[in-house]
Amino acid sequence: NAGVTQTPKFRVLKTGQSMTLLCAQDMNHEYMYWYRQDPGMGLRLIHYSVGEGTTAKGEVPDGYNVSRLKKQNFLLGLESAAPSQTSVYFCASSPNRPSHSNQPQHFGDGTRLSIL
Amino acid sequence: RKEVEQDPGPFNVPEGATVAFNCTYSNSASQSFFWYRQDCRKEPKLLMSVYSSGNEDGRFTAQLNRASQYISLLIRDSKLSDSATYLCVVKGWDGNKLVFGAGTILRVKS
Repeated sequence: NAGVTQTPKFRVLKTGQSMTLLCAQDMNHEYMYWYRQDPGMGLRLIHYSVGEGTTAKGEVPDGYNVSRLKKQNFLLGLESAAPSQTSVYFCASSPNRPSHSNQPQHFGDGTRLSIL
Repeated sequence: RKEVEQDPGPFNVPEGATVAFNCTYSNSASQSFFWYRQDCRKEPKLLMSVYSSGNEDGRFTAQLNRASQYISLLIRDSKLSDSATYLCVVKGWDGNKLVFGAGTILRVKS
């Protein structure tokens, strides 16, 4: 039972390069989220999805794109990486709307991304 | 003003101590509240939900004060293994998202 799996776990990019982070969950969850975490800032929501084929902007969406072509996968893309995007990225999933009746969000291990 | 605010700490306490963290939230319509724990360089994990009447899970007690819009977490008989960052989390205004505080660092020392 893998839960939420993120790939890659570490990556170093040069400014201007592009890359895609993959999040996969095997729990048949409807909702998926991408966060970034920076020192002193806590987790900030980048984009999220409430179901296959749907995406929505979070708090800090600029410079990122996402796709949810399959229910189990949520991809985060950086088209032209910038040093300000150096961060730890977490993916999370939940069965449906966060509530007390279910585990609100299950998180992946994180991806540490450095942009030089 | 941030939607969820926490004292960043760090709180340095000896083993066996009782320690309390507070968190304030700005959206009076928020309905669901949680405490998450995050170990260094690890993913956040749910510690406990926070219910209106207050709730306890072993050494951990969570309280909610809707009138003042704050949430608290009390840890009794602190263990070395309690050292972590504690994240206050509030369900967002549209119901689809969670809003995370920046976290409070706890260091328990022997």
